[in-house]
Amino acid sequence: EAGVAQSPRYKIIEKRQSVAFWCNPISGHATLYWYQQILGQGPKLLIQFQNNGVVDDSQLPKDRFSAERLKGVDSTLKIQPAKLEDSAVYLCASSLDEGREQFFGPGTRLTVL
Amino acid sequence: GESVGLHLPTLSVQEGDNSIINCAYSNSASDYFIWYKQESGKGPQFIIDIRSNMDKRQGQRVTVLLNKTVKHLSLQIAATQPGDSAVYFCAENMGGGTSYGKLTFGQGTILTVHP
Repeated sequence: EAGVAQSPRYKIIEKRQSVAFWCNPISGHATLYWYQQILGQGPKLLIQFQNNGVVDDSQLPKDRFSAERLKGVDSTLKIQPAKLEDSAVYLCASSLDEGREQFFGPGTRLTVL
Repeated sequence: GESVGLHLPTLSVQEGDNSIINCAYSNSASDYFIWYKQESGKGPQFIIDIRSNMDKRQGQRVTVLLNKTVKHLSLQIAATQPGDSAVYFCAENMGGGTSYGKLTFGQGTILTVHP
């Protein structure tokens, strides 16, 4: 069974630029999560989708971050404009349903200069 | 706010030794805990979980202990191998309703296993 796919794996941008990350969850998984992992810290949940609806985005900085899962499968996370403190690994995870085991992708390492 | 934390940021052991990684949590309402292993350049990988109605759970070479009285969680790895070298995170899950999937991760412990 294929795991969670993410792209790109690495991205370097300058502050105030925009960037987008893509996630393809495990086939059939209804729940999708985006996490931000700053170096030396544990992942922090940014947003959770159930199919194409948002369940929890309480920790998403909505002035600059946006995410969508229009068809209930793939998802994109966008940052516009990026700040230096956005440098982190952005992890996507999926689970069969809410409350089920979460499977993580390899992450996208973002460096903002 | 309430959070999950770890006592030790690094742990260095010899191959074959047993390893113990500790975690303190502050939210007494948490009812589900998970240990994850994260290798360099990879996402966290599920190791073992435990529910609050249990105090011990065993897997293959791993044991998780939960002490709800002092809000403490530990991960024991038996006969530690070089392949166990990674960062280990504990995470708590509030449980119930739409927050069931919302994990709060601790800081992490770096485990280094020397051959």
